[in-house]
Amino acid sequence: DVQMTQSPSTLSASVGDRVTITCRASQTITNWLAWYQQKPGKAPNLLIYKASSLESGVPSRFSGSGSGTEFTLTISSLQPDDFATYYCQQYNVYPFTFGPGTKVHIK
Amino acid sequence: QITLKESGPTLVKPTQTLTLTCTFSGFSLSTRGVAVGWIRQPPGKALEWLALIYWDDDKRYSSSLKSRLTITKDTSKNQVVLTVTNMDPLDTATFYCVRYDSTTAVEYWGQGTLVTVSS
Repeated sequence: DVQMTQSPSTLSASVGDRVTITCRASQTITNWLAWYQQKPGKAPNLLIYKASSLESGVPSRFSGSGSGTEFTLTISSLQPDDFATYYCQQYNVYPFTFGPGTKVHIK
Repeated sequence: QITLKESGPTLVKPTQTLTLTCTFSGFSLSTRGVAVGWIRQPPGKALEWLALIYWDDDKRYSSSLKSRLTITKDTSKNQVVLTVTNMDPLDTATFYCVRYDSTTAVEYWGQGTLVTVSS
């Protein structure tokens, strides 16, 4: 299976901060990577697909980059609604696998 | 409008078999490229991909759970069923039904259903 790791596991940030989360795959997944945001008690919400494509309706402060085995999710200016847990998922190789998540806290 | 909804027991006993049904609307599972799957999340833990079934009945499973999982579809009823055998307290989780697209991954999620395994 493709193992996905994320760093950091948690981060504290302030409103307006630029935030970057890294996701690494144990083997190349080309650009078949998605990012999701999850808030407590809710289903995840797709933010980014194919590593860098912004899902419709998602604010432009979210962006994704990377290919191969290393990927990043960037929030250009953190907003109060962005405090949540973020997961990456590879969908290049079965079984599709998720990263362990990154929880973004308010500093 | 695409919606998915999970249904099934909220409490099962250890060793029992769990059967969950996903009823969806707004798309057809007979359309080329479409797939419906299941993802679970134990309380306070990460998402775990379980299984996927495609329009052509191709099925894919989690490696670690493959021996315990079965996914089937009833296209006429717009339903997908997941069975998990030999349930254990460690299987306690919220189970999500999802629509998968080969380009956009998981755009649509059900609300999730919490299944507790306890005697």
